[in-house]
Amino acid sequence: AQSVTQLDSHVSVSEGTPVLLRCNYSSSYSPSLFWYVQHPNKGLQLLLKYTSAATLVKGINGFEAEFKKSETSFHLTKPSAHMSDAAEYFCVVSGGAGKSTFGDGTTLTVKP
Amino acid sequence: NAGVTQTPKFQVLKTGQSMTLQCAQDMNHEYMSWYRQDPGMGLRLIHYSVGAGITDQGEVPNGYNVSRSTTEDFPLRLLSAAPSQTSVYFCASSSLRPTGLGTDTQYFGPGTRLTVL
Repeated sequence: AQSVTQLDSHVSVSEGTPVLLRCNYSSSYSPSLFWYVQHPNKGLQLLLKYTSAATLVKGINGFEAEFKKSETSFHLTKPSAHMSDAAEYFCVVSGGAGKSTFGDGTTLTVKP
Repeated sequence: NAGVTQTPKFQVLKTGQSMTLQCAQDMNHEYMSWYRQDPGMGLRLIHYSVGAGITDQGEVPNGYNVSRSTTEDFPLRLLSAAPSQTSVYFCASSSLRPTGLGTDTQYFGPGTRLTVL
């Protein structure tokens, strides 16, 4: 069994300040972990993926995430928020064979 | 490649009506899945398929049927729509073979917004 907990349902930051979106996971084996972004009324876009090659994963648009096995965490960060980053973010753990478990999402608001 | 396509984009049904949501992929992926997304929640797995002729239930399968007669297509059927099935539905596909983004990476369609009155 696997599960994902996104620790914050809403995060609000000012433009130009750092972003931290927190995710904890539970998996009975070495997981594949993902972050997706969803802009309002849009589909899902893959930000980045962890597959055990490196614990620090770089994604698109300046986002990165660090896999910490001891803490079962996969937090998403960005050094400087942009207005266009305002969206819903989902942490996802893959169970293989097309079965993924999604967190409930974190809504990121970016204030000017 | 068109990737994963879904039709229709929007649909309004009355309680008790039936309909089929279409999903197709042109990437020759083995795995295909259906999810629903409700407000304030992440996507939840309805049904999935590991290949033509093989399907299985996910987390929330009740009220939905699927079949997979070809690698490309994975339709989702609502036999008797209920207001509780009002949601946004996403189809996804992935490959067991290493691809540019590796195995396990799901490619999502644009979604179908379904309202049941």
